[in-house]
Amino acid sequence: GNSVTQMEGPVTLSEEAFLTINCTYTATGYPSLFWYVQYPGEGLQLLLKATKADDKGSNKGFEATYRKETTSFHLEKGSVQVSDSAVYFCALSASNQAGTALIFGKGTTLSVSS
Amino acid sequence: AAGVIQSPRHLIKEKRETATLKCYPIPRHDTVYWYQQGPGQDPQFLISFYEKMQSDKGSIPDRFSAQQFSDYHSELNMSSLELGDSALYFCASSPPGQGYNEQFFGPGTRLTVL
Repeated sequence: GNSVTQMEGPVTLSEEAFLTINCTYTATGYPSLFWYVQYPGEGLQLLLKATKADDKGSNKGFEATYRKETTSFHLEKGSVQVSDSAVYFCALSASNQAGTALIFGKGTTLSVSS
Repeated sequence: AAGVIQSPRHLIKEKRETATLKCYPIPRHDTVYWYQQGPGQDPQFLISFYEKMQSDKGSIPDRFSAQQFSDYHSELNMSSLELGDSALYFCASSPPGQGYNEQFFGPGTRLTVL
């Protein structure tokens, strides 16, 4: 079946450090891949997406590249800020058909200190 | 920009009671999804509707039912509530024809069952 595996947290970094959160997936066909962020007490916000192999999604300094050969979609940021502290979820949609569920990883908690 | 609206934001119920959660999608979005997120857990897909028809079904208990109305809003009805139903319930919506199933999430309804 379809699944997402992401590195367990928490990840604790100092401000301006480099961030990598690993995400790998299992899916048949050609899924779309997403990173969502959840700030404390809030809903899920889309951070970035990639819909086909070798696509790079980027937003707010975060980047992730859809690697079909390694079935990965790792999240990176060159210099984190305290305001980036949140839970990050990697997700896939196995189909582009309307109504298809998103399958989420377990989430990785990022804590950035000044 | 308009976002997904969920009501109520917080709900407290006793065991064996019923609850109704409401979701108003972003205007012109025709697909609605429901997810359940337990404490410290990833969101789990419950059910989705496309153009008022059930589209996909996940791990939704038989005690729960949902529907999408002619104005595209959706309601999740939960009966015989159990302690384990305490969770954050998210609604998401997506627009027609986007080709990659990006879902826009509401702020969630926090249900507490006592």
